[in-house]
Amino acid sequence: DGGITQSPKYLFRKEGQNVTLSCEQNLNHDAMYWYRQDPGQGLRLIYYSQIVNDFQKGDIAEGYSVSREKKESFPLTVTSAQKNPTAFYLCASSTRPEGIRANVLTFGAGSRLTVL
Amino acid sequence: RKEVEQDPGPFNVPEGATVAFNCTYSNSASQSFFWYRQDCRKEPKLLMSVYSSGNEDGRFTAQLNRASQYISLLIRDSKLSDSATYLCVVPQGGKLIFGQGTELSVKP
Repeated sequence: DGGITQSPKYLFRKEGQNVTLSCEQNLNHDAMYWYRQDPGQGLRLIYYSQIVNDFQKGDIAEGYSVSREKKESFPLTVTSAQKNPTAFYLCASSTRPEGIRANVLTFGAGSRLTVL
Repeated sequence: RKEVEQDPGPFNVPEGATVAFNCTYSNSASQSFFWYRQDCRKEPKLLMSVYSSGNEDGRFTAQLNRASQYISLLIRDSKLSDSATYLCVVPQGGKLIFGQGTELSVKP
C-alpha cells in the first residue's frame, strides 16, 4: 500500500546536537511538506517542496534545514540553532501543486522529538 | 484576526448527540476548505473537503458560508469513536493554514 513513512517515531536529543528526521513516500506525489505541532496548537509549516531539487521556507524555518534530492524523500534536519525543538513533527505530501486535489494532504505517522 | 480560527472546545457530548464546530477564516479569496480528524498522538487524516456551499458524508455535514467567512462541521448521532480533535484547514497564498483544532469527547 502507498503511504508516507517517517522515522524515527521517537527521538531524544541532547542540547546542541543536530538530528535528522526521515520522510519517505511511495505515492508518486510531487509536493512534500514538514509541519511542527505543539500541544494545543495547530500545525505550523516549516518547509515545503513542490519539485525535486527545490524547496521553500515556511512560517517557522529558522533552525531547520531540508533537502529534496529524490522525489520520494524529504529529510528534515533540526539544528542546534532551533531554540525550542521539542515537538511533534509531521511530514506530508500531495499531488501536483496545481489541480483540485493539490491541497489534500497525506500525512506520515509523525516523529516525536524531545530535547533533554 | 487570526487567519484561521476554530471554536476552542473541548466539546463534551453524550452518545447520540448532534454537535457542530465553527471555523472562521480571514482571506475572502479562499476557494476550498478541509476538515481533518486527528486522534490523540496520531497524524491528521482527511475527513471532508468543501469546494462549494457544502458537503455531506453520512453523519458528517460541512457547510460553507462565504459571506460570513466561516465553515462548520456538523456531526449527527455522535459515536464514542468520534472522539478526536478536528482541524480546519484553509489554503491561502500557496500554503495551507491550519486552525488550532477543536477537541470533541463523546461520552457513554
